[in-house]
Amino acid sequence: AQSVTQPDIHITVSEGASLELRCNYSYGATPYLFWYVQSPGQGLQLLLKYFSGDTLVQGIKGFEAEFKRSQSSFNLRKPSVHWSDAAEYFCAVTGYSTLTFGKGTMLLVSP
Amino acid sequence: KAGVTQTPRYLIKTRGQQVTLSCSPISGHRSVSWYQQTPGQGLQFLFEYFSETQRNKGNFPGRFSGRQFSNSRSEMNVSTLELGDSALYLCASSLGAGEESGYTFGSGTRLTVV
Repeated sequence: AQSVTQPDIHITVSEGASLELRCNYSYGATPYLFWYVQSPGQGLQLLLKYFSGDTLVQGIKGFEAEFKRSQSSFNLRKPSVHWSDAAEYFCAVTGYSTLTFGKGTMLLVSP
Repeated sequence: KAGVTQTPRYLIKTRGQQVTLSCSPISGHRSVSWYQQTPGQGLQFLFEYFSETQRNKGNFPGRFSGRQFSNSRSEMNVSTLELGDSALYLCASSLGAGEESGYTFGSGTRLTVV
């Protein structure tokens, strides 16, 4: 069965500092991987996705993620965090037309 | 183009009642998936419909059911509501041609059971 682990429940980053959110997955075949962001009381907005090809994926809002098959990881990065990036971030893997999500990482941005 | 529309946005129901939630996918999308989000369990897959047929089902009791209409709109129903059914219910729309088509989520329906 597929699974996703996001080891950090909360992360606090200073505005302007760099960010890396960790994601590890378990999946038997080539995974399709996603990062979503959720603001309070809202739905999920897709930041980026990886299906195949280049292992460094660019997304919206200045985010990028790197797929590392050897480490079963798909970490999300941003070089300079803005206060508006404060939200909850979810990593997900898909198979059999279903998404399996991690528990999420809450990003807090300090001034 | 219009996004995924979920109605209503908020619902308050009494334990034992039933509820129906609606999801209108992006035009041209044929797959609709439903997810339940709670603070304790996170995001859990309920079921997925493609061309009016349920393709996949998550590990939820039979009180949770759904259907999809010929225009791809989907409804999910929860009967005999329990307090633990309080959650944000999210609908995801996809072309349905395969996982690489990606998923677009609606804003969700917040259900509170009292």
